[in-house]
Amino acid sequence: DTAVSQTPKYLVTQMGNDKSIKCEQNLGHDTMYWYKQDSKKFLKIMFSYNNKELIINETVPNRFSPKSPDKAHLNLHINSLELGDSAVYFCASSQDNGGGGTDTQYFGPGTRLTVL
Amino acid sequence: GDSVTQMEGPVTLSEEAFLTINCTYTATGYPSLFWYVQYPGEGLQLLLKATKADDKGSNKGFEATYRKETTSFHLEKGSVQVSDSAVYFCALDSSGSARQLTFGSGTQLTVLP
Repeated sequence: DTAVSQTPKYLVTQMGNDKSIKCEQNLGHDTMYWYKQDSKKFLKIMFSYNNKELIINETVPNRFSPKSPDKAHLNLHINSLELGDSAVYFCASSQDNGGGGTDTQYFGPGTRLTVL
Repeated sequence: GDSVTQMEGPVTLSEEAFLTINCTYTATGYPSLFWYVQYPGEGLQLLLKATKADDKGSNKGFEATYRKETTSFHLEKGSVQVSDSAVYFCALDSSGSARQLTFGSGTQLTVLP
């Protein structure tokens, strides 16, 4: 069984469109994340959700909006797509360790977004 | 702010060669340090970690020692295999919560038979 899954795996779309990427984790984790990996493999955190509350937003344009319908899902919605949004987007999750922190982050397989 | 610097790739080695991937960091306080590996077409997986100075993380024949005096966390393996071909990321967390990882730029390793 896949621990952290993302759909779709590939997404090709035109500039100006609105799209969503879905993420689900079946690990029972409390915190979920979205990362962006650019063409040079540089990885940067975008959002983090803990128990359905946003706890990190790393200066991401407000065209990007995470939506968490429940603890097991964290979807990423992107409005008015731009060429620079082309990247691989990774979802991840982790379990709180009871000491105010969290344990190892488990990553999904990634969604390759191409904006034409 | 926090930052991680990795040696630039790509790195190409023959099977059974010795591997070193350098990683140095800048951070406030005493961060936890991590190595993640990304196999082709997959997400990142934690390879090893160290949470305090002089700790050695190890897994699958890979090792890295947390060196506070040189702010380094170099990844080593004595004998690489073709299956080790992947992108390796060094990362740190200085928040103490492990929810805010800062990654290096990644190093592509290719091992030839």
